[in-house]
Amino acid sequence: AQSVTQPDIHITVSEGASLELRCNYSYGATPYLFWYVQSPGQGLQLLLKYFSGDTLVQGIKGFEAEFKRSQSSFNLRKPSVHWSDAAEYFCAVGEPGGSYIPTFGRGTSLIVHP
Amino acid sequence: EADIYQTPRYLVIGTGKKITLECSQTMGHDKMYWYQQDPGMELHLIHYSYGVNSTEKGDLSSESTVSRIRTEHFPLTLESARPSHTSQYLCASSPRQGPYGYTFGSGTRLTVV
Repeated sequence: AQSVTQPDIHITVSEGASLELRCNYSYGATPYLFWYVQSPGQGLQLLLKYFSGDTLVQGIKGFEAEFKRSQSSFNLRKPSVHWSDAAEYFCAVGEPGGSYIPTFGRGTSLIVHP
Repeated sequence: EADIYQTPRYLVIGTGKKITLECSQTMGHDKMYWYQQDPGMELHLIHYSYGVNSTEKGDLSSESTVSRIRTEHFPLTLESARPSHTSQYLCASSPRQGPYGYTFGSGTRLTVV
């Protein structure tokens, strides 16, 4: 079964600074990979996903993520953070050819200082 | 606008009461899911459905039940609420074919006193 680890519980950045949120997964082959964002009091919103092909994927809100097979990672990046990006971010891993039901990480809380 | 709706947003209820959390989607998605979310924890899948009259239990043991009589509607019922059921419940849906990712509702925050 697949598993996913988000090593950072909290990340604090200044507005305008760059951001990288880490995600590591455990799975025998190339999994399906997702990043979701959750604003306070809301459900999760899909930011981007990776199935195959180009390992650098672009998402909504200016986010991108890079799949690195050798490191079993799928880190989320943004070059310049806005105060509205403050939220909880979840990485998820799904099993190809299976039920596609993903396993979610525990989330990383992003705090943005002005 | 196609979307997924959960009601109520917040619910405070006494121990032993029966409650139903509503979830409806207008996207025509075949697959629907219920997750339980607690602060600092992974989302735990409690029920899912691949279509009408299809329901399965997820990986988290739950005393709740679900039904799927119509494609767009996937309610979750707790026959007898307990304080341990206090949590946030998220409903989600996805198309039948392919790993497209989920569309989530805004959630129901349940408090059992």
